[in-house]
Amino acid sequence: GAGVSQSPSNKVTEKGKDVELRCDPISGHTALYWYRQRLGQGLEFLIYFQGNSAPDKSGLPSDRFSAERTGESVSTLTIQRTQQEDSAVYLCASSLLNTDTQYFGPGTRLTVL
Amino acid sequence: KQEVTQIPAALSVPEGENLVLNCSFTDSAIYNLQWFRQDPGKGLTSLLLIQSSQREQTSGRLNASLDKSSGRSTLYIAASQPGDSATYLCAVKKATDSWGKLQFGAGTQVVVTP
Repeated sequence: GAGVSQSPSNKVTEKGKDVELRCDPISGHTALYWYRQRLGQGLEFLIYFQGNSAPDKSGLPSDRFSAERTGESVSTLTIQRTQQEDSAVYLCASSLLNTDTQYFGPGTRLTVL
Repeated sequence: KQEVTQIPAALSVPEGENLVLNCSFTDSAIYNLQWFRQDPGKGLTSLLLIQSSQREQTSGRLNASLDKSSGRSTLYIAASQPGDSATYLCAVKKATDSWGKLQFGAGTQVVVTP
């Protein structure tokens, strides 16, 4: 497919466990973004990657959150020692150099018990 | 700090009526504003993007206006259909951050009844 894909679509974990969420951006898109959407709330920016530049991590809520991106392809968002307040839908988006439209994946719904 | 507000939070209209969704933002120094649609269990779909130098954008039955000085944008959907039922989100990007994050409103949940 040509869109942004994310896996898994759903993840249920126990408090204290680590989780890893994956995002495959649209091929050729140099910018990649992670957002979080808690139930009934708007999207919160977490982190973005632009080519080989240093990522903008200003939205990460704590040092339990980290993300990596391999070149201009796959990105993984890791949450260590998950807490119940981490329960949310995690959305990934990508955009093409010279355009501003961000294309979103379907999200990963994370539930921390 | 930029704050984005959407009013109303929810809206229900009969099929055929026009929809008017409002978005306001506190810092007028924006790079662009984007309207998205979100369906349950799915990601966001971009509807319209308005650059800061533009006053409006149109696509089919959708029209979005932007008044940067007053910090407002309005999304109009003409002749609503049940398939328009979704949550509509507006998002702004700071003028100094052309490649950076979008700041979202909480959304307006729309139900169009047949």
